[in-house]
Formats: sequence, C-alpha cells, structure tokens
Amino acid sequence: AQKVTQAQTEISVVEKEDVTLDCVYETRDTTYYLFWYKQPPSGELVFLIRRNSFDEQNEISGRYSWNFQKSTSSFNFTITASQVVDSAVYFCALNWDGGFKTIFGAGTRLFVKA
Amino acid sequence: EAQVTQNPRYLITVTGKKLTVTCSQNMNHEYMSWYRQDPGLGLRQIYYSMNVEVTDKGDVPEGYKVSRKEKRNFPLILESPSPNQTSLYFCASRWTGNSPLHFGNGTRLTVT
Repeated sequence: AQKVTQAQTEISVVEKEDVTLDCVYETRDTTYYLFWYKQPPSGELVFLIRRNSFDEQNEISGRYSWNFQKSTSSFNFTITASQVVDSAVYFCALNWDGGFKTIFGAGTRLFVKA
Repeated sequence: EAQVTQNPRYLITVTGKKLTVTCSQNMNHEYMSWYRQDPGLGLRQIYYSMNVEVTDKGDVPEGYKVSRKEKRNFPLILESPSPNQTSLYFCASRWTGNSPLHFGNGTRLTVT
C-alpha cells in the first residue's frame, strides 16, 4: 500500500537557520510523482515542487532545495536561511495510478521565530 | 484569473441536515477531487473525478456523495452529516493526472 510519512510534526527554528523537512514514501509502483505543498497561516494550499520517479536530480529554487533519493525512498525539503514568512505547514504528497490517486503526509508545521 | 472556487467558506449545521459544498474551476481541467484535512492526518482524498460523469472513491468516501455533470463543477454532498464529518474541506483540480493540484480556499464545516 502507498504511504507518505512526515515524521516531524512540528519544527521550531530561529530566523536565518537552515531547516530540513523529511518525507519518506512507500509505493510498489515504478512510475509515481512526488510533490511538496505549503499551507501558510492563511490556510490556502500552494504547490512548491513536483518530481517524477525517473528524475532523481536535486532541485534548487532560491532558498529552497529538494533532495530526492529513490534508494532511501525519501524526498526531503531544505530551507536555507529561513525567514518568518516560511512559517507554514508543509505537506509531502505521492501520486500513483496515473495520477488519479493522491496520498498526503500528515504535514510538518514549521515555526520560524524572528 | 485561474482559480478554484469553493462555497461556502464556513458552514455550521446540525446532524442529519443535508448540505452541499460547491466547487467550480475555470481552467478547463478534466480532473477534480475533494479532500478533508484533519489535525495529525494531513489531507485525505474523499472522491475524485477524471471527467464529466466519471467519478471514483478516494480513501475516505463514506458519508459523502459527488457528481460531475459539467466539467467545471464538482459539488460535495453530505446527505446526513454527522459530527465526525466536522473538518476542513478542500476542492482541487488539475490538468493531467500528474500535474500539480490547484486548490480552492477551503470550507470549514462544523456538524453539531
């Protein structure tokens, strides 16, 4: 069965610290997609990144970077030099079955203190 | 502006009183889905629809119904709401099976 585990329920850091949010997934499918979404305190859900199972290249976008490792079934998200505006709940998600099925992790709540 | 619109944003109702949460998207997306968000559980998929008149169950479909009579609309129906359906609900749509989801702003439902 498919599963997404975000073991960190809450993380608290001080501004400018680096922080890594962990995501571990389980699937028997060979073709799947992984996503990260952000939910700021205002409540909306915002897409951050997508990775397919055949693309293990790491990605960097400004202060955000993602490390996808199939060998450990992980898709971790690092924020460098965190800012107060990064405070949010972050969800990792897995798509399979042609994308019709989606499962989300429980989310990690990140607090960035000034 | 491309968007997914859910209504209402907040809803308080009583056990057993039928209700409908509407969802509409203006991006001509074929795929739409409903999720509920509960503390510690993340988002769980209730139902999804691959196209008009084509729907299927997600992980937590019990107590919910959906319909997809038009491409843009995907209402969520609770025929007889119960307190365990108190939750934050999100509608979402996307282009293809694996493109990112576009979410509505959410509907906070309280069933007393």
